[in-house]
Amino acid sequence: QSVLTQPPSASGTPGQRVTISCFGSTSNIGSDDVYWYQQLPGTAPTLLIYANDQRPSGVPDRFSGSKSGTSASLAISGLRSEDEADYYCAAWDDSLSARVFGGGTKLTVL
Amino acid sequence: QVQLVQSGIEVKKPGASVKVACKASGYNFTTYGIAWVRQAPGQGLEWMGYISPYSGSTNYAQKIRGRVTLATDTSTSTAYMELRSLRSDDTAIYYCARDLGAAHDFWGQGTLVTVSS
Repeated sequence: QSVLTQPPSASGTPGQRVTISCFGSTSNIGSDDVYWYQQLPGTAPTLLIYANDQRPSGVPDRFSGSKSGTSASLAISGLRSEDEADYYCAAWDDSLSARVFGGGTKLTVL
Repeated sequence: QVQLVQSGIEVKKPGASVKVACKASGYNFTTYGIAWVRQAPGQGLEWMGYISPYSGSTNYAQKIRGRVTLATDTSTSTAYMELRSLRSDDTAIYYCARDLGAAHDFWGQGTLVTVSS
């Protein structure tokens, strides 16, 4: 049972816009920034979004993040086949004094 | 370029210990922390802990506190994760990642640790 809650799966067709949600609480998302990681099959995770809505250099602007209260979202526009991956949200949890991850969302491009 | 290169596959028996190495290059090793994250087969990411190579300070996840030790060798820019009293549910891929204080911006390739009798 993950501290941050994500839907286990999401899907879309090429060109579509897809959003992935991440629900937390006042001790994590409500009091800290949210980070998103992309994990392509068989590879290590990579940083996709930091500080809620910032993209590291090299990440396409098709990827965007937002946060409101105790929840956050990752949006992917202009969906491409290479976006098929697992996506994880993360935040610091003040109560646990630990970084916590969501359970991950497997994105399928139909 | 920033790189984190981890040591190879490990197969251990229950009750044994494992030590995974993570050699950093391409940046000043003492400027940023190192986090360790593991992923059981088919499962999500689990944060294990963090170490500051500059100060040596550590922070461990409650679940494994007492069984894990993080360390660094600044002379070789290498971080280490030792996990003791291994159990079957410790079977996972173990990742090190550069920690910017919040974001993990560069990750090692992962080290598979299998615990089996």
